[in-house]
Amino acid sequence: QKEVEQNSGPLSVPEGAIASLNCTYSDRGSQSFFWYRQYSGKSPELIMFIYSNGDKEDGRFTAQLNKASQYVSLLIRDSQPSDSATYLCAVNAQGGSEKLVFGKGTKLTVNP
Amino acid sequence: KAGVTQTPRYLIKTRGQQVTLSCSPISGHRSVSWYQQTPGQGLQFLFEYFSETQRNKGNFPGRFSGRQFSNSRSEMNVSTLELGDSALYLCASSTWGNYGYTFGSGTRLTVV
Repeated sequence: QKEVEQNSGPLSVPEGAIASLNCTYSDRGSQSFFWYRQYSGKSPELIMFIYSNGDKEDGRFTAQLNKASQYVSLLIRDSQPSDSATYLCAVNAQGGSEKLVFGKGTKLTVNP
Repeated sequence: KAGVTQTPRYLIKTRGQQVTLSCSPISGHRSVSWYQQTPGQGLQFLFEYFSETQRNKGNFPGRFSGRQFSNSRSEMNVSTLELGDSALYLCASSTWGNYGYTFGSGTRLTVV
């Protein structure tokens, strides 16, 4: 059973701080990794994807991938109250398919 | 560009009834996937369709079925509804190439 694990949180950070969200996955053959943000009552929204080991930056967001450790993280710099949401880690582990396996998400609260 | 459209947004059904949910993907997206989201289980994969063919199926009972039409629109059907089927059902479309999904707003199904 391919699994994706995340700390459920809640993770609480002050405004302006760095929020660090972590995810581990069980299938060593996993190829693609995604971070989604889900506001309460809304559907998930793709914010980052990463395929290769290392860091990928997009604005205030940085995704980090370490395939040897089977670990993906998302850093949010200069956190804003509007970043308060549940962050879902997702992994595509099956070639020839778009299927994603999701973690249960980490709830982030950014306090003004 | 129109997003992923799901109808209806809300449904209330009685145990034992059946229900059909509809999804129109983003224009040009040929891959459509369905997920069930509940507070306890998170996002659980139901099906994946590509060019009218079911590519993947999740671990759900046979009461859950789906199909995709030639215009890429998709429907899912749940027969003999149970209370535990109450959930948010999310449809997601993607362009082939593993760039991640775009989710629709979901259909909130309540079984009473």
